[in-house]
Amino acid sequence: NAGVMQNPRHLVRRRGQEARLRCSPMKGHSHVYWYRQLPEEGLKFMVYLQKENIIDESGMPKERFSAEFPKEGPSILRIQQVVRGDSAAYFCASSPPGQFTEAFFGQGTRLTVV
Amino acid sequence: GDSVTQMEGPVTLSEEAFLTINCTYTATGYPSLFWYVQYPGEGLQLLLKATKADDKGSNKGFEATYRKETTSFHLEKGSVQVSDSAVYFCALRETGSEKLVFGKGTKLTVNP
Repeated sequence: NAGVMQNPRHLVRRRGQEARLRCSPMKGHSHVYWYRQLPEEGLKFMVYLQKENIIDESGMPKERFSAEFPKEGPSILRIQQVVRGDSAAYFCASSPPGQFTEAFFGQGTRLTVV
Repeated sequence: GDSVTQMEGPVTLSEEAFLTINCTYTATGYPSLFWYVQYPGEGLQLLLKATKADDKGSNKGFEATYRKETTSFHLEKGSVQVSDSAVYFCALRETGSEKLVFGKGTKLTVNP
């Protein structure tokens, strides 16, 4: 059973470009979470999704950031018009159906904005 | 809001030394507490957890006890190995929430 797969592992974007980060949850998992780790900081919650639904987006910046988890395919975290301050490691986690089940993390995508 | 404060790193120890990484938390309710470990080049893995006061989580020789009176969840291991070199994250999850709140992480290096 493959773990949570994130790609790409490293992504470089110029200021103003779009960044798309992908997360394939573990088989049988229907919950996906995105976290961001800024330099010298801990992981910060961004958004919690279930298939086709955003459940909690209280950690998402109000502008330029969006997330989806379609019925088919991976979850996508999209950042439009990236700025230097978006440079960070973005981690995805998934968990099986049910409340408060254990979350399994991917290896992360390191975004660098130049 | 909820927060987790853990010991600043990096921490460097010799093999077989005793390890303590301090973690304290602030929460409005009765959170569950976790330690995650991130080995080089890998994602975070759950190391251990405790869901109520006085619970002790343990795994791979690591232990942590949920201390409500001191709002702490310190990680300990009696004899570290080189393979324990990693970044360790303390985290909490509030009752009724799916969100994890993390500390900043502590990098541990164990030398032979």
